Amino acid sequence: DAGVIQSPRHEVTEMGQEVTLRCKPISGHDYLFWYRQTMMRGLELLIYFNNNVPIDDSGMPEDRFSAKMPNASFSTLKIQPSEPRDSAVYFCASRRGAEQETQYFGPGTRLLVL
Amino acid sequence: DAKTTQPPSMDCAEGRAANLPCNHSTISGNEYVYWYRQIHSQGPQYIIHGLKNNETNEMASLIITEDRKSSTLILPHATLRDTAVYYCIVREFGSSNTGKLIFGQGTTLQVKP
Repeated sequence: DAGVIQSPRHEVTEMGQEVTLRCKPISGHDYLFWYRQTMMRGLELLIYFNNNVPIDDSGMPEDRFSAKMPNASFSTLKIQPSEPRDSAVYFCASRRGAEQETQYFGPGTRLLVL
Repeated sequence: DAKTTQPPSMDCAEGRAANLPCNHSTISGNEYVYWYRQIHSQGPQYIIHGLKNNETNEMASLIITEDRKSSTLILPHATLRDTAVYYCIVREFGSSNTGKLIFGQGTTLQVKP
């Protein structure tokens, strides 16, 4: 299996621009998670989906952030407008079924907002 | 989910066993102990998990005390590639936050030649 795929791997943008991060989960996995990692706050869960439906978005920092999962093989995390404090590494992870199953993480997208 | 406490950093000599402790004194009966690690610039990687019995897989062993208030992750023969941040996470099943893994600051393990 190819594992969780994220794109782009690196993104540099200017403040105010829209940023879209993409994730393809492992085939057959029905849970998808978006995390953000910074030096100050560590690894934080932003939102997760089950069967393409958002279950918990309490970690989404503000209305500038939105996430969608139009089908079982694709999800996006969008930031509009972006701000320098959004600079971080964004990870996508997926999991199959039962609660005790493990999460598999993608390689992450390094976002720098100037 | 119960809170965990880990030392911020540890060193280990290459080829020796690395023993990483974790305290979870408020753990409840239906909470599992998970270990993940994050090698620099990569996404976190699952290592092992357990409820109350000791567990072993190809990567590591997990020793949970009888009262379940602490655990130790053991890497039996550490290599330089095991240098990473190791996260101990306690998670309850069957609760409303069924999907969440809450990552703390973890332990930075430095394996030295």
